[in-house]
Amino acid sequence: GENVEQHPSTLSVQEGDSAVIKCTYSDSASNYFPWYKQELGKRPQLIIDIRSNVGEKKDQRIAVTLNKTAKHFSLHITETQPEDSAVYFCAASNGASYDKVIFGPGTSLSVIP
Amino acid sequence: DTAVSQTPKYLVTQMGNDKSIKCEQNLGHDTMYWYKQDSKKFLKIMFSYNNKELIINETVPNRFSPKSPDKAHLNLHINSLELGDSAVYFCASSVQAGTSGRVGEQYFGPGTRLTVT
Repeated sequence: GENVEQHPSTLSVQEGDSAVIKCTYSDSASNYFPWYKQELGKRPQLIIDIRSNVGEKKDQRIAVTLNKTAKHFSLHITETQPEDSAVYFCAASNGASYDKVIFGPGTSLSVIP
Repeated sequence: DTAVSQTPKYLVTQMGNDKSIKCEQNLGHDTMYWYKQDSKKFLKIMFSYNNKELIINETVPNRFSPKSPDKAHLNLHINSLELGDSAVYFCASSVQAGTSGRVGEQYFGPGTRLTVT
């Protein structure tokens, strides 16, 4: 079945620095790749997503890149702020139905003031 | 407020008991899900329903039985609770593929923290 790997599992950066989280997926039929942010004690919330017809997408300080050939995608956060501290999950699904979303194991990001 | 809501928020119970968690969404979505998040934060899909029909059942023990009385509600009943069932359970909903709206995005409820002692 589909498997999504995510690295690193934990990441600490100084405020203002950039953070990069990388994911790989196994199912070549996957064509929708969302990223969720989960703050401590809260629910996961979508922060950005990318579909397979696009190689890169940016929304203010966050950007996602996708390499379908290599089956990997990455989240980039620039000018990190303490409020970016959270667990980030990448995910993959088949956009034909979106019914089954497979999540990566998560990356715990700490931004040090 | 348009949202996905769950009750209860916390549930503490003893091994062997039976308990239910309720979920409701007023977003007009057709698809609803149950996820289990364990202590290591792994987020794993358990069930998915589309318009009251079960479409995904991820090898979850038979002790877990979802029920969807209508497309706005998806409840989870757990029989004979075990220690390993302790986790946070999230309900979620999404727009059906092929319809208008932000297809693919999952809207999560606030979670139910289940502790089995």
